[in-house]
Amino acid sequence: QVHLQQWGPGLLKPSETLSLTCVVYGGSVSGYYWTWIRQPPGKGLEWIGEINHSGSTNYNPSLESRVTISVDTSKNQFSLKVISVTAADTAVYFCARKNSRRWFDPWGPGTLVNVSA
Amino acid sequence: QSALTQPASVSGSPGQSITISCTGTSSDVGGYDDVSWYQKHPGTAPKLMIYNVSNRPSGVPNRFSGSKSGNTASLTISGLQGEDEADYYCSSYARSTTRYVFGTGTKVTVL
Repeated sequence: QVHLQQWGPGLLKPSETLSLTCVVYGGSVSGYYWTWIRQPPGKGLEWIGEINHSGSTNYNPSLESRVTISVDTSKNQFSLKVISVTAADTAVYFCARKNSRRWFDPWGPGTLVNVSA
Repeated sequence: QSALTQPASVSGSPGQSITISCTGTSSDVGGYDDVSWYQKHPGTAPKLMIYNVSNRPSGVPNRFSGSKSGNTASLTISGLQGEDEADYYCSSYARSTTRYVFGTGTKVTVL
């Protein structure tokens, strides 16, 4: 059964770069799109973007200018970078697999990223 | 692309049935059968409860059901149990560059 583990720094200062990695266990990154989704404190979920094993990406237009998602098939993992973070980027960030008919399962455990001076 | 609209809260007594609505537009909920529902307990990852409007993944109790009419999707929990107390989010594919939109979230309280 596929499960995801994610990691990355939990505290950043404004203007720094957020970097998170998600490793896929029990399956291959091939054949699916892999997604990042975030939830700011007290707010709902927001789709950030996705990537497939060949590196094809799609991003939320509201974040596209600052976001890069990459994949490393040799390590069976994918990563998120968000540049020039502000307090508005404070959120729990989740990685997830997107299934062919556009639902998300499984999800990683989430990483709280706090942007504060 | 705006978030899909859900009621902020819904409550019910154990054993009762409740329904959570998820209203979008013809560009998302109304235009595709790619509606899914997620249960989220505090501090945990969302859990898929319903996919493709009305399909239940294995392991999800059959008291959870989904449907759609026009631009509104619904999640019904029949025979409400204490463990169902959580936040619920709908999601839909969207015919726009945003691609995927989530609902505003509904807090379910078991009285």
